[in-house]
Amino acid sequence: DAGVIQSPRHEVTEMGQEVTLRCKPISGHNSLFWYRQTMMRGLELLIYFNNNVPIDDSGMPEDRFSAKMPNASFSTLKIQPSEPRDSAVYFCASSPLQGTGELFFGEGSRLTVL
Amino acid sequence: GENVEQHPSTLSVQEGDSAVIKCTYSDSASNYFPWYKQELGKRPQLIIDIRSNVGEKKDQRIAVTLNKTAKHFSLHITETQPEDSAVYFCAATTSGGFKTIFGAGTRLFVKA
Repeated sequence: DAGVIQSPRHEVTEMGQEVTLRCKPISGHNSLFWYRQTMMRGLELLIYFNNNVPIDDSGMPEDRFSAKMPNASFSTLKIQPSEPRDSAVYFCASSPLQGTGELFFGEGSRLTVL
Repeated sequence: GENVEQHPSTLSVQEGDSAVIKCTYSDSASNYFPWYKQELGKRPQLIIDIRSNVGEKKDQRIAVTLNKTAKHFSLHITETQPEDSAVYFCAATTSGGFKTIFGAGTRLFVKA
């Protein structure tokens, strides 16, 4: 398996622009997670889905952030409008629903908002 | 909600020495405690985990211990090597194994 695939790997944008990050989980995994990593705040859980349904979005910073999972093989995290403080590495991870609980991370999307 | 505290934030050891990283969690419903290693510029990857029905688990040079009563768990690395240098994250998983909350991370330096 190719693992969790994220795109883009790097994104540089200007404040106010819309940013869309994409994730393809491992085939057969039912749970999908979006994390944000910064030096100051570490790994923060933003939202997670089970069977394409958002279960807990309490970690989403504010209304500028939204996430969707239209099917089992694709999810997006959108920031609109983006701000410099959104600069971070965004990780997508997946896990089988009846598995051990191990998270399989993608390589991350490094976002820089100027 | 769950809160995971991790100490120390930075740890420097001499090659061959042992390293210990400690974590505490707040939610007594947590039942799965993984440890992830993240090398510079890479993704976090699972190195060892422990479930709440086990007190200790060992895998070669790495061991984890869990004290459910005190809500403490620890990572022990023996005979450290320069390639062990990385950031290590503890985590606690609740809600039927779906919600994983991470500690702040420990940056381990192993000096040759």
